[in-house]
Amino acid sequence: AQKITQTQPGMFVQEKEAVTLDCTYDTSDPSYGLFWYKQPSSGEMIFLIYQGSYDQQNATEGRYSLNFQKARKSANLVISASQLGDSAMYFCAMRELTQGGSEKLVFGKGTKLTVNP
Amino acid sequence: DAGVTQSPTHLIKTRGQQVTLRCSPISGHKSVSWYQQVLGQGPQFIFQYYEKEERGRGNFPDRFSARQFPNYSSELNVNALLLGDSALYLCASSWTGVNSPLHFGNGTRLTVT
Repeated sequence: AQKITQTQPGMFVQEKEAVTLDCTYDTSDPSYGLFWYKQPSSGEMIFLIYQGSYDQQNATEGRYSLNFQKARKSANLVISASQLGDSAMYFCAMRELTQGGSEKLVFGKGTKLTVNP
Repeated sequence: DAGVTQSPTHLIKTRGQQVTLRCSPISGHKSVSWYQQVLGQGPQFIFQYYEKEERGRGNFPDRFSARQFPNYSSELNVNALLLGDSALYLCASSWTGVNSPLHFGNGTRLTVT
């Protein structure tokens, strides 16, 4: 079974600074997808960024980038120039394809990011 | 374009009752999944439906059931509610494929008293 580990229950960052949220994963599948989601206090899960296991370059989406180190099985999210609106829970997730044909996301426990003014 | 919509947003039920949650996917998405998120945890997979057929089921009791309609909308039913069923229930839709992100709705917050 796949597993996602987020070791930072909470992180603090000053506005305009960069922050890295850690994520490690465990899988024996050669093909997999890694996702990061943001969940504000309102509850909606907002897709941020995706990294495929065969992608040669690290994914980037605006202020978000993914530091993908395949050999170490880590997929850390880097948020540059933090904004007050970035304060939220952040979840790392892995797409799992089962033998039965279902597709599901396996989530970590999340990291609560607080951006201080 | 409209995102994933869920109804109702909040629900309060008593133990033993039954509840139905509803979800409309993004237009064109044929895959709908349901997740349960208890406080302080990441979402847990309940069901996936694709083209009106159940594709997968997570580790949830038979009290949980779901279906998908011809227009790809979906319902999640929970019978004989327990206090432990109190959670945020998230619906997500997507294209199929390992690199397709799931797009989530705002969720239904269920409280069982």
